Amino acid sequence: SAVISQKPSRDICQRGTSLTIQCQVDSQVTMMFWYRQQPGQSLTLIATANQGSEATYESGFVIDKFPISRPNLTFSTLTVSNMSPEDSSIYLCSSRSTKDWGAFFGQGTRLTVV
Amino acid sequence: QQPVQSPQAVILREGEDAVINCSSSKALYSVHWYRQKHGEAPVFLMILLKGGEQKGHEKISASFNEKKQQSSLYLTASQLSYSGTYFCGTATDSWGKLQFGAGTQVVVTP
Repeated sequence: SAVISQKPSRDICQRGTSLTIQCQVDSQVTMMFWYRQQPGQSLTLIATANQGSEATYESGFVIDKFPISRPNLTFSTLTVSNMSPEDSSIYLCSSRSTKDWGAFFGQGTRLTVV
Repeated sequence: QQPVQSPQAVILREGEDAVINCSSSKALYSVHWYRQKHGEAPVFLMILLKGGEQKGHEKISASFNEKKQQSSLYLTASQLSYSGTYFCGTATDSWGKLQFGAGTQVVVTP
């Protein structure tokens, strides 16, 4: 099945700064999804990213805070802007397999804001 | 809207069985099941499409009751490797986004 390489795997950032997370898929995919997962919690969808169009954000998430780029069918970035300690979480990118329709995930980025 | 998953946690001895339930208030196209081990990304187990089918993966199987918009995951003769947090994910169309349940932590002891 397809593989997503996500980086960085972890980072510690100062409040007020921004971090860009990158995901590279080893095959072309139509849709990519960005999730946030607090430790011990479920996955919360941030946005859906299609190539060639603006990302669609879920309720509670806005483009100014979480800008997303999707320049081609194998790559996407999520930026966490103007970070605060409340942004500390694990961020995961995901897509769907054309073989079995299941979702597959990047390894996750563990972000700590101090 | 997030599907409702139960129980929150279950502790099993090796060889015992367990059932995890997932329900939604929306009409679903599919229900997915994932297992996540600590510090790792979720791993896809299986998908059930509307039509009320049942699927199996080794000794882990699942069913989907389309009328009730409910799915159940069955862990049979549990093994130590079954430990982890199980999430159901629901979709309302074929390629769309998944909404995940709160998760069920499964601990299998020797």
